[in-house]
Amino acid sequence: GDSVTQTEGLVTLTKGLPVMLNCTYQTTYSPFLFWYVQHLNEAPKLLLKSSTDNKRTEHQGFYATLHKSSSSFHLQKSSVQLSDSALYFCALRTSGGNYKPTFGKGTSLVVHP
Amino acid sequence: GALVYQYPRRTICKSGTSMRMECQAVGFQATSVAWYRQSPQKTFELIALSTVNSAIKYEQNFTQEKFPISHPNLSFSSMTVLNAYLEDRGLYLCGARTDFYEQYFGPGTRLTVL
Repeated sequence: GDSVTQTEGLVTLTKGLPVMLNCTYQTTYSPFLFWYVQHLNEAPKLLLKSSTDNKRTEHQGFYATLHKSSSSFHLQKSSVQLSDSALYFCALRTSGGNYKPTFGKGTSLVVHP
Repeated sequence: GALVYQYPRRTICKSGTSMRMECQAVGFQATSVAWYRQSPQKTFELIALSTVNSAIKYEQNFTQEKFPISHPNLSFSSMTVLNAYLEDRGLYLCGARTDFYEQYFGPGTRLTVL
């Protein structure tokens, strides 16, 4: 079945540094990849999405490129801010199968001053 | 814009009782609605997925008998947690999907079981 693996646990950074949160996936169908961000006591919100191979997608300073050759969709930002502290989920949907969405276990990003 | 409403936002029920939560998609046509439970450890569990022209599909460990779902249309869905116990506590999220595979989440219903 489909699966998503992402950097697990806690990532702690100092403000202004770059960050990369890893996400890899497995599916036999054509993939649609998403990154969601969930701030404390809020619902997850869509941050980025892509289904196009090797095309960079950007939003709010975050960017990711879907690489089908390596089944990856890593989330990056060149300079993290305090407000980026949140939970980040990588998710996979496919164009075939039963449309079941698959989420990674989440990565908690904490940015220090 | 696309919004998903959920209510109530928080609810407390006694062990063994039931509670109903609702989800409404506004501003877009939802092609599917998924109910999730986010555990205190923050991981997502998919409870069930309801897709256009298909029956509701429950995931392993979740049953219609325990989590009956009603969806008169794909803009509105309700789910009941029957005979709630401690292990049922958590944040219940409704995710409504668009034709472009984007999924919008509601704010969730936080269930506390005493």
